[in-house]
Amino acid sequence: GAGVSQSPRYKVAKRGQDVALRCDPISGHVSLFWYQQALGQGPEFLTYFQNEAQLDKSGLPSDRFFAERPEGSVSTLKIQRTQQEDSAVYLCASSLARSVRTDTQYFGPGTRLTVL
Amino acid sequence: KNEVEQSPQNLTAQEGEFITINCSYSVGISALHWLQQHPGGGIVSLFMLSSGKKKHGRLIATINIQEKHSSLHITASHPRDSAVYICAGRREGAQKLVFGQGTRLTINP
Repeated sequence: GAGVSQSPRYKVAKRGQDVALRCDPISGHVSLFWYQQALGQGPEFLTYFQNEAQLDKSGLPSDRFFAERPEGSVSTLKIQRTQQEDSAVYLCASSLARSVRTDTQYFGPGTRLTVL
Repeated sequence: KNEVEQSPQNLTAQEGEFITINCSYSVGISALHWLQQHPGGGIVSLFMLSSGKKKHGRLIATINIQEKHSSLHITASHPRDSAVYICAGRREGAQKLVFGQGTRLTINP
């Protein structure tokens, strides 16, 4: 596809359920980012991959959050034992990573997670 | 203090007005991004700046490195410009972005 795609677009989970959110980056993009955006707030960084390597996971809020990108393309963000405070839009972005100075991140439409 | 701060948080204007949204950032931020987010969540990158000024259509972005300040201007605003505009900074040598809180812009016809 032409852009970053994410699925599902909407997810409703009961508290305590595990969820998996998928991101398909633009083909050939080396870098992949996950961000969390709470209602009315700006996005906040969760984690970053360069190819299959997870180079920065400093933004993951707890050990219930886990991300992977095993083949360096598609990525999955998994949240175990979901809590109400996990309700947010989860955004994925990818970039070519040719140069940090000129790199543009392309964002997906996001997955809106609601935990009841 | 947040690394990236925007003002105003909300802005309502009439069609045709000149719009300015401001962004201040802290030491260590080397590049600024301006992003547009429409209802439904999709984010579009408008500009990336490390110096000077960029223009695209009715949108102009400027950055003052000494003052650590950037502005996004919209000329001849239109209701379709209504969206949340987000300023995001990239730390020197890093890939991840640090976001401001966003400015919700509403242009009334």
